Amino acid sequence: RKEVEQDPGPFNVPEGATVAFNCTYSNSASQSFFWYRQDCRKEPKLLMSVYSSGNEDGRFTAQLNRASQYISLLIRDSKLSDSATYLCVVIAPLNDYKLSFGAGTTVTVRA
Amino acid sequence: NAGVTQTPKFQVLKTGQSMTLQCAQDMNHEYMSWYRQDPGMGLRLIHYSVGAGITDQGEVPNGYNVSRSTTEDFPLRLLSAAPSQTSVYFCASSSLQGTQIMNTEAFFGQGTRLTVV
Repeated sequence: RKEVEQDPGPFNVPEGATVAFNCTYSNSASQSFFWYRQDCRKEPKLLMSVYSSGNEDGRFTAQLNRASQYISLLIRDSKLSDSATYLCVVIAPLNDYKLSFGAGTTVTVRA
Repeated sequence: NAGVTQTPKFQVLKTGQSMTLQCAQDMNHEYMSWYRQDPGMGLRLIHYSVGAGITDQGEVPNGYNVSRSTTEDFPLRLLSAAPSQTSVYFCASSSLQGTQIMNTEAFFGQGTRLTVV
């Protein structure tokens, strides 16, 4: 079983729509969670960290569900510029130096 | 503000050739790492380093060597290129909090697209 799994999508949504997707992780001892964004053929960049209580950054909301071992990302009022691949990243304490990446969820926002 | 500089951006190698991918960061980060990204696989860790003179293997280290003689530089060497090493390679750096990187951002280079024929 992969350490981090994501629905690859693609999620095709119209501008202004809300889109949400999850990422599941296998190590129950995982401590740190992030969403990174990767534009086509470019390097990943941090979108937001995911905190236990959930957190928002503008139109983006991240949630953590430890009991079911998943994190989620919700994008409200989608913009064309939100089209990208979103990578889930998990760090487990026994792998202090290893960021475990999901394969990514592709979102395409259409006009 | 250069961040992480990775060269070259593109490279074509013949099977059996060797080469070095360069990675340099100017943020004084202790932690540096190399990943490869293949379709449907996510980023997989090749090698990492927590400081000058210290390196360790990730999950897919075979066929690659690294060294960390300075804080700034972390080159990745392909010893004898194989078609299975065709991939996109990313170098990344992070600041360590004590001995862990649990809550720090990873900064990536622009990537190297390597094709082995």
